[in-house]
Amino acid sequence: DAGVIQSPRHEVTEMGQEVTLRCKPISGHDYLFWYRQTMMRGLELLIYFNNNVPIDDSGMPEDRFSAKMPNASFSTLKIQPSEPRDSAVYFCASSKGAYKLYEQYFGPGTRLTVT
Amino acid sequence: SQKIEQNSEALNIQEGKTATLTCNYTNYSPAYLQWYRQDPGRGPVFLLLIRENEKEKRKERLKVTFDTTLKQSLFHITASQPADSATYLCALDIQGDKLIFGTGTRLQVFP
Repeated sequence: DAGVIQSPRHEVTEMGQEVTLRCKPISGHDYLFWYRQTMMRGLELLIYFNNNVPIDDSGMPEDRFSAKMPNASFSTLKIQPSEPRDSAVYFCASSKGAYKLYEQYFGPGTRLTVT
Repeated sequence: SQKIEQNSEALNIQEGKTATLTCNYTNYSPAYLQWYRQDPGRGPVFLLLIRENEKEKRKERLKVTFDTTLKQSLFHITASQPADSATYLCALDIQGDKLIFGTGTRLQVFP
């Protein structure tokens, strides 16, 4: 298996622009998580899905952030409009089964820089 | 609010020695605790999980302890090697619903 795939790996954009991050989870995994990592705040959970349905989005910082999972093999995290404080590394992770929190598999991350 | 503390300063040890990393938490009673390894430019990789009713867990050169009274987990790497150099994150579950991660401790093993 190729593991969790994220694109793009790096994104540089100007403040006010829309940013879309993409994730393909591991086939057969039914939980998908979006995290954000910064030096100051560490790794924070933004939202997670079970069987393509959003379960908890309490970590989404503002209405500027939205996430979708139209099918089992694809999810997007969108920021509109982007701001410099959104600069971070965004990770997607997936896991399998009822023990959704066990052994999460992380993608390589997308490094977002908003200027 | 829940708080997880890991040594923010890097841990530097000599090859062959045992590295011990600490994870402390407050205001919380997790059912289990996990340790992940993160290399620069990569996502975290799962290493070990220990449940609240387990005192110790081992995997090859890795050992994790979990003391729910002290609210602390210790992560040991025996016979450390330069390839063990990385950042190590602990993570706790919140009521079985989601994970909270510590900020991690960077380990540097020098020859």
